[in-house]
Amino acid sequence: DAKTTQPNSMESNEEEPVHLPCNHSTISGTDYIHWYRQLPSQGPEYVIHGLTSNVNNRMASLAIAEDRKSSTLILHRATLRDAAVYYCILRGNGQNFVFGPGTRLSVLP
Amino acid sequence: EAGVVQSPRYKIIEKKQPVAFWCNPISGHNTLYWYLQNLGQGPELLIRYENEEAVDDSQLPKDRFSAERLKGVDSTLKIQPAELGDSAVYLCASSPQGGTSYNEQFFGPGTRLTVL
Repeated sequence: DAKTTQPNSMESNEEEPVHLPCNHSTISGTDYIHWYRQLPSQGPEYVIHGLTSNVNNRMASLAIAEDRKSSTLILHRATLRDAAVYYCILRGNGQNFVFGPGTRLSVLP
Repeated sequence: EAGVVQSPRYKIIEKKQPVAFWCNPISGHNTLYWYLQNLGQGPELLIRYENEEAVDDSQLPKDRFSAERLKGVDSTLKIQPAELGDSAVYLCASSPQGGTSYNEQFFGPGTRLTVL
């Protein structure tokens, strides 16, 4: 299973954009990039995923580098409810999700 | 649509006792996963079911852990006997078709196990 590298923690001010980076230099051509987040005392929840093109949904945007060796999850306006651990995961067909320790995002009021 | 249901939410037992966790996946989801999550770490896969078949149990400690998914719907994860190191959160997740690389997983709230 391909691995990802994320910063251990990040801080943001409320209502400001947040850019959460993820490096995945060993990504293969068929691996999808998934982002999940885990709020305190809850199971992880899906945020967004993509393959090659940038993706937008109601929760966030995913910017994927042209060489696909890195990606960035963008929260356009952080709220206190966005404080969570964010996981960046690569997944190919038939493979399992492999969670790393993720990035703990703190949002300051 | 109801989410993934797990019970109990919390369990405290003494070491060497047995314990069981129950999971009801989202209706229609063929794939079911059990994960273990230690404090400060990401979830680690224990077992993956496609319908009633365990297709990946390579990370399940089979000397004390067992799981079943009768009729391809609900699932039970058991530990017997429990050890101090088993204290963790046990997460269940389901997916419409788990093997596909773009499908998302839906997680339950987890069961927090404390072994004394």
